[in-house]
Amino acid sequence: DTGVSQDPRHKITKRGQNVTFRCDPISEHNRLYWYRQTLGQGPEFLTYFQNEAQLEKSRLLSDRFSAERPKGSFSTLEIQRTEQGDSAMYLCASSLGAAEAFFGQGTRLTVV
Amino acid sequence: GENVEQHPSTLSVQEGDSAVIKCTYSDSASNYFPWYKQELGKGPQLIIDIRSNVGEKKDQRIAVTLNKTAKHFSLHITETQPEDSAVYFCAARNTGNQFYFGTGTSLTVIP
Repeated sequence: DTGVSQDPRHKITKRGQNVTFRCDPISEHNRLYWYRQTLGQGPEFLTYFQNEAQLEKSRLLSDRFSAERPKGSFSTLEIQRTEQGDSAMYLCASSLGAAEAFFGQGTRLTVV
Repeated sequence: GENVEQHPSTLSVQEGDSAVIKCTYSDSASNYFPWYKQELGKGPQLIIDIRSNVGEKKDQRIAVTLNKTAKHFSLHITETQPEDSAVYFCAARNTGNQFYFGTGTSLTVIP
């Protein structure tokens, strides 16, 4: 399968713990996006990379959130000191330049 | 920033009938408008898209129209089938390369 891959698919964590998600984009896609989706809503933009450079961050991305794409390939999204309000589906997408973006299956985070 | 509104929020149609979902956007600089289909527990799947230099695009039973002047675009599904049942999202991409999504339309096709 050469689509966008996200790991893990599901994560349950206790409030206050740190979690890290991984996204592997489609090979050779230079743009990588992170979105968050809560139940009944559309995806909300979090951040965007072009190659290894993080070009844009949403106001939604508090100081507890950090994303990296160190070699311009896979990306990680870390949430520190998780809160119940962080419970959501975290989606990753990739594109080749301004072409269409393809999403992964998402990581569903539940903070208890 | 961009604001995308989507209607209706729910839509039920009989199998074989057509379904139409409408979206409006606020940023006249937005230039790319994809539509995604999302099934329960899965990520959004791109089904069709349109760029700002085109007024209409069709792919088999699915078509999208764009009215740049009015800043609205629509998804048309003809000859609906039960497997078309899902949540559909419209989106707009602005010059900042962010995608802004509508709130989704839950489509149910009744056999």
